[in-house]
Amino acid sequence: DGGITQSPKYLFRKEGQNVTLSCEQNLNHDAMYWYRQDPGQGLRLIYYSQIVNDFQKGDIAEGYSVSREKKESFPLTVTSAQKNPTAFYLCASRKSSGSTDTQYFGPGTRLTVL
Amino acid sequence: DAKTTQPPSMDCAEGRAANLPCNHSTISGNEYVYWYRQIHSQGPQYIIHGLKNNETNEMASLIITEDRKSSTLILPHATLRDTAVYYCIVRVPPRSNYQLIWGAGTKLIIKP
Repeated sequence: DGGITQSPKYLFRKEGQNVTLSCEQNLNHDAMYWYRQDPGQGLRLIYYSQIVNDFQKGDIAEGYSVSREKKESFPLTVTSAQKNPTAFYLCASRKSSGSTDTQYFGPGTRLTVL
Repeated sequence: DAKTTQPPSMDCAEGRAANLPCNHSTISGNEYVYWYRQIHSQGPQYIIHGLKNNETNEMASLIITEDRKSSTLILPHATLRDTAVYYCIVRVPPRSNYQLIWGAGTKLIIKP
């Protein structure tokens, strides 16, 4: 089965600690995205990568970092510089077909910083 | 970037058609309208997209007005499992990062 996996589903960390969220896809998609979602809100883009070894900041990149060493993997690190890290984090990859594109999402990781 | 406006919540009876409206009055000629839904605490799921013509797939139908300033997502026979937040999104033109701009969506509650 092709898809996107995120782990873990729930994550608890103490304030001041860095934490890395995993995102893996076996859909052979070039582009991958990280979003943050707060309660009752839509998704906000943190980082995106259109190709291996390249990534760009989204709207709320401060306090986050990413890497894209492999096509299948796009891990997100939430650093201690992120002032309000408790949120639901979603990873997506994009299939492009002609002039349209569709994003496919993982199940999400709910991060709680204590 | 074209923005969208959706009602914050709607109810629909199980078995009836659910019609979810979306306004996108500033949409440009090459921007597509996408619909996604998000069941509680899960990742969003793609439903359908369109440019000018009406579209239908196994999940839903998308009706876009002739002036493209609004659209309606139709779930023909709603079930309890269709309870979710539905997002109407206008795709940013290809020169950018293919970013989807997400609003707060419509919370659709299907009632037995």
